[in-house]
Amino acid sequence: DVVMTQSPLSLPVTLGQPASISCRSSQGLVYSDGNIYVNWFQQRPGQSPRLLFHTISKRVSGVPDRFSGSGSGTDFKLEISRVEAEDVGVYYCMQGTHWPWTFGQGTKVDIK
Amino acid sequence: EVQLVESGGGLVQPGGSLRLSCVASGFSLSSHWMSWVRQAPGKGLEWVADINQDGSETHYVDSVEGRFTISRDNAKNSLYLQMNSLRVEDTAFYYCVRDPRFFQHWGQGTLVSVSS
Repeated sequence: DVVMTQSPLSLPVTLGQPASISCRSSQGLVYSDGNIYVNWFQQRPGQSPRLLFHTISKRVSGVPDRFSGSGSGTDFKLEISRVEAEDVGVYYCMQGTHWPWTFGQGTKVDIK
Repeated sequence: EVQLVESGGGLVQPGGSLRLSCVASGFSLSSHWMSWVRQAPGKGLEWVADINQDGSETHYVDSVEGRFTISRDNAKNSLYLQMNSLRVEDTAFYYCVRDPRFFQHWGQGTLVSVSS
């Protein structure tokens, strides 16, 4: 199975400051169609997960542009340019290339 | 608007069974692969099972293979998860999710608690 390793697991941030979460896969994630199916999710307290990005960097409608997804090979990143209070929650990366689909452990973002 | 509403969770003893349901609205279920994803309280996300559009292809995570069965009734716009031989470690919120590989649309989840 593909292991998705996130870092850090806890990320205290100051409002208005940037934040970055890394995700590394244990093997390559190029699917037969040439795409790399790495997704990022946000889970606010008490809510279901919400897809932010799919296929590394394709933003889902409604996701603020202060969020960005990037990466290649086995290294991927979610960045927030200026953290707002509503960004508090747990962020997960996930690979949708190889069965079984697997998630990272989650990164908890809170305000300092 | 896409909506997924799960039901059927509850408290069950180890070795028992439960059947989860998910009713879809706002789209045609028959056009989409569907999944179940679970989350133990306070823990991370784990994909459980997938089913293709007509139910002819299914996939499971190893830990539930042979115990859980995913199925669907497109005429009723419904997805199911039959869970047998439940274990304490199956305790989790179970989410119905549309479009595996992307997981864009999630239900609110239903809690399954396995305890004696």
